[in-house]
Amino acid sequence: QQPVQSPQAVILREGEDAVINCSSSKALYSVHWYRQKHGEAPVFLMILLKGGEQKGHEKISASFNEKKQQSSLYLTASQLSYSGTYFCGTERGDDKIIFGKGTRLHILP
Amino acid sequence: DAGVIQSPRHEVTEMGQEVTLRCKPISGHNSLFWYRQTMMRGLELLIYFNNNVPIDDSGMPEDRFSAKMPNASFSTLKIQPSEPRDSAVYFCASRKDGYYGYTFGSGTRLTVV
Repeated sequence: QQPVQSPQAVILREGEDAVINCSSSKALYSVHWYRQKHGEAPVFLMILLKGGEQKGHEKISASFNEKKQQSSLYLTASQLSYSGTYFCGTERGDDKIIFGKGTRLHILP
Repeated sequence: DAGVIQSPRHEVTEMGQEVTLRCKPISGHNSLFWYRQTMMRGLELLIYFNNNVPIDDSGMPEDRFSAKMPNASFSTLKIQPSEPRDSAVYFCASRKDGYYGYTFGSGTRLTVV
């Protein structure tokens, strides 16, 4: 039931792009994306509802393919502040989110 | 808004002792969630409430864990008796009904020795 995230870790240089994937074996109602910095709480980035929409947040955007039960998070022209662990969370219409194990992103100057 | 407030921030206790974690959700948020985070298991949902009513407690590890939400502005998670394997960061999060994300509290880092 837990969504699967890939890759587990990414190391980038500042200015490079990254894609983080999230897939589920169950039909989804929505997908959430969060970022957590070391020693801090997860912070909500965006929610995508079924319908195959794509959303953007500064240089971070995401897509949701309802039929494939997959979502992807796109980080373009990465900045040092983007470092952290990214979690996808899947919701099946029952109000609760099940989180993936996370993708650690490290940005080098 | 002060955000979701959790207390204490850190708790160190001896095995067998009772531990109580506290959470104050954001005013106006209808749902409250308790998660536990460890390196091995990631973020696990323990229990969640909607309008102060427990909806799903299937994630509560065992009878040693209990949670209450006596009113819209307060919730507790209690572990009695505590064991070393309960050591983790416990997060409380709240959410407004509708298509919104969760707001997490700063967490309680629990160490059971």
